[in-house]
Amino acid sequence: DAGVTQSPTHLIKTRGQQVTLRCSPKSGHDTVSWYQQALGQGPQFIFQYYEEEERQRGNFPDRFSGHQFPNYSSELNVNALLLGDSALYLCASSRGGLTSSYEQYFGPGTRLTVT
Amino acid sequence: EDKVVQSPLSLVVHEGDTVTLNCSYEVTNFRSLLWYKQEKKAPTFLFMLTSSGIEKKSGRLSSILDKKELFSILNITATQTGDSAIYLCAGGFISNFGNEKLTFGTGTRLTIIP
Repeated sequence: DAGVTQSPTHLIKTRGQQVTLRCSPKSGHDTVSWYQQALGQGPQFIFQYYEEEERQRGNFPDRFSGHQFPNYSSELNVNALLLGDSALYLCASSRGGLTSSYEQYFGPGTRLTVT
Repeated sequence: EDKVVQSPLSLVVHEGDTVTLNCSYEVTNFRSLLWYKQEKKAPTFLFMLTSSGIEKKSGRLSSILDKKELFSILNITATQTGDSAIYLCAGGFISNFGNEKLTFGTGTRLTIIP
């Protein structure tokens, strides 16, 4: 049973560029949440996708956008990169809906460095 | 605004000791309290607690939730060097769509000395 997978593992970008990160949820999961984890901090919620729609959003600017595909995989896009966007980006999957258990399982993350 | 506070921020103990990690929360529409272990990258799920006063156990790890006082503790007995990690606590609330958003604390960095 494959767990949550993310790609790429590492990424180096320049200020002002755009980046796309990818996530495939654990088998049987239909909800994907994205988190940003800066060094020494806990993960910060970016947004969550369920049924191909953004259902919830944290305190992140519109430069952060996403998408969920019919196979439940998801992308996180960040435009106009800033140095402060350097972080570990984590994807977590869960089973959504009112009868789910809500336990979120995390992928290995993508380490983004903006220079 | 949702808030989760963990203490201590870091802890160094000798192998074989017992440790208690603390987590207090203020989460709107609270539903659950989750504990994760983070060693290198991906946080690994440990426990999800939804009911007050019911202890959950997994080997040497156990956790309990107090919904009246809004806190949870994670106990690790007979610690081993493999327990060295950052332990994250997260409060979860349910949206109108039935999905859960997590608010994390900054974590407790646990170091076990052989």
